[in-house]
Amino acid sequence: QSVLTQPPSVSAAPGQRVTISCSGSSSNIGNNYVSWYRQLPGTAPKLLIYDSNKRPSGIPDRFSGSTSGTSATLGITGLQTGDEADYYCETWDSSLSAVVFGGGTKLTVL
Amino acid sequence: EVQLLESGGGLVQPGGSLRLSCAASGFTFSSFAMAWIRQAPGKGLDYVSIISDRGDSTYNADSVKGRFTSSRDNSKNTLYLQMYGLRAEDTALYYCAKYVAGTPTPAFDCWGQGTLVTVSS
Repeated sequence: QSVLTQPPSVSAAPGQRVTISCSGSSSNIGNNYVSWYRQLPGTAPKLLIYDSNKRPSGIPDRFSGSTSGTSATLGITGLQTGDEADYYCETWDSSLSAVVFGGGTKLTVL
Repeated sequence: EVQLLESGGGLVQPGGSLRLSCAASGFTFSSFAMAWIRQAPGKGLDYVSIISDRGDSTYNADSVKGRFTSSRDNSKNTLYLQMYGLRAEDTALYYCAKYVAGTPTPAFDCWGQGTLVTVSS
């Protein structure tokens, strides 16, 4: 069971907006920044968001991140079929002194 | 171009040992902390270890403490993961990943393609 809780799946139509939630606690999301990764089938994860709301070079502004209290949210606008993938949140847990990941959310673009 | 290339995976019996390597190129390896992250078949991402840029500090997941040790040779631009006492639950694709510069919370902006470790008799 993951320290961070994500919905197993979400879906939306092409062109629409979707959000993926990540719920934690005061020892992780509540006091540390959050990162988000996308993993296409058969490939390594790719960083989409770090420091809760910053995008690495090359990541389009369709992807956004936010936090509120002990939860984080990844937003994706203008959905494309190529966005179908697994999405993971990640942060540091100060009590565990360890990196923690969410269980992953499978995004389906209908 | 930043590249990470893992090697050393394979089939090992329960209780056995294995050493993984990760060859880095395209960036100043000695300036970045690095991590090992694994993924069991069909499962999510699972943190294993972080090592500081100079190799003088490591943080391991509870599940591997006392069994796995990460190290690095900055003169060879190579990261290592020495694994002892392997268990069936250690079966996974092992990724090495580069820490994002300047962020207070771990984030990883470059990942290798992974090397598969299978623990089975």
